Amino acid sequence: GQNIDQPTEMTATEGAIVQINCTYQTSGFNGLFWYQQHAGEAPTFLSYNVLDGLEEKGRFSSFLSRSKGYSYLLLKELQMKDSASYLCAVRDGDYKLSFGAGTTVTVRA
Amino acid sequence: ETGVTQTPRHLVMGMTNKKSLKCEQHLGHNAMYWYKQSAKKPLELMFVYNFKEQTENNSVPSRFSPECPNSSHLFLHLHTLQPEDSALYLCASSQEASGGADTQYFGPGTRLTVL
Repeated sequence: GQNIDQPTEMTATEGAIVQINCTYQTSGFNGLFWYQQHAGEAPTFLSYNVLDGLEEKGRFSSFLSRSKGYSYLLLKELQMKDSASYLCAVRDGDYKLSFGAGTTVTVRA
Repeated sequence: ETGVTQTPRHLVMGMTNKKSLKCEQHLGHNAMYWYKQSAKKPLELMFVYNFKEQTENNSVPSRFSPECPNSSHLFLHLHTLQPEDSALYLCASSQEASGGADTQYFGPGTRLTVL
């Protein structure tokens, strides 16, 4: 089976930076996705990493180290609207995604 | 309407009822998925359809029955459910059920409560 671990909850202040870690142990690797899910809404696609390194998209960046089975999502200049659950998902070899349980980020004023 | 839509958004049913969840995607995709999301648990893949053919049944109990009449529509027929089936049911679509960067786009889900 697949094992995707991420912290359950994180709290940060508006304007700060938060880093959400994701570690995985999978039988294969064919890419890692991050999604954002606001309460009661659809998960929305944030990023995709398949090669080692950092991908930057505005205030959000995602990093991958395949040798360490590790990724993080970095949220900069936090805004209240960033309060949401962040899901890490790994594609292990075919088309299926294995998801972590999600990290709930709370942004405080 | 754009993206992936799901109806109803909320559903309460008894254990002896029969109901159906509907999903429609307006993205021109060829693959559609059903997931179950329970509180504090990872999303669980239930079914996958690729070009209208079912390619995955992830050991889902027979009280859940999927139907995919065309690439834009996906249904989940429910009958004699159990209280532990209460969850958020998410539909997703992607260009094609393949590896690599094929990205899944999700609908808002149906919040199901079984009494």
